[in-house]
Amino acid sequence: EIVLTQSQGTLSLSPGERATLSCRASQSVSSSYLAWYQQNPGQAPRLLIYGASNRATGIPDRFSGSGSGTDFTLTISRLEPEDFAVYYCQQYGSSPLTFGGGTKVEIK
Amino acid sequence: EVQLLESGGGLVQPGGSLRLSCAASGFTFSTYALSWVRQAPGKGLEWVSTVSDNGGSTYYADSVKGRLTISRDNSKNTLFLQLNSLRVEDTAVYYCAKGKSGYCSGGSCSFDYWGQGTLVTVSS
Repeated sequence: EIVLTQSQGTLSLSPGERATLSCRASQSVSSSYLAWYQQNPGQAPRLLIYGASNRATGIPDRFSGSGSGTDFTLTISRLEPEDFAVYYCQQYGSSPLTFGGGTKVEIK
Repeated sequence: EVQLLESGGGLVQPGGSLRLSCAASGFTFSTYALSWVRQAPGKGLEWVSTVSDNGGSTYYADSVKGRLTISRDNSKNTLFLQLNSLRVEDTAVYYCAKGKSGYCSGGSCSFDYWGQGTLVTVSS
């Protein structure tokens, strides 16, 4: 089973700042099958990025994903008020699919 | 518009059973794999189970194997999760989620649509 580690438990940032979230896998993620989700309190997760770098439908271009192998990054170029949330990475290149523990982006 | 609407959650005693349903609309139900993902209170996301588009293949997390059963009725656009021998640690919000692509190798997919979730509480 691939373990995903999101080492930044909480990021404290201000609106307008750049956010860089990391996700490290215990083994190489096949074919860069890595996704990122955003979850606001009391809501379901929302797909942001799939295939490591492809934005999902309707996702603003301030969100970008990068990486391959075992190291992946989600970047939010300029934080908007609605971006303060919890972010999860997920790998789906091997079975079982697994999620990272999440990174909370909070207002500083 | 894609919609996934879960129902069937509630309070159940340890060892009890529950059946969750997820009614889907807005897409061709029979051509997508579907999954259940759960989230314990204050915790992260945990994949539970996936069923292939035709229901012929099912996949389970080790933590639920033998106790939970996923199924689907393509004639009614509905996904199910039968929960048996429930444990306190099964307490969570259970989300149904649609695979982004039609095929999920080994039950592994990314998920482009999620329901709002249904809460299962296992407690005496």
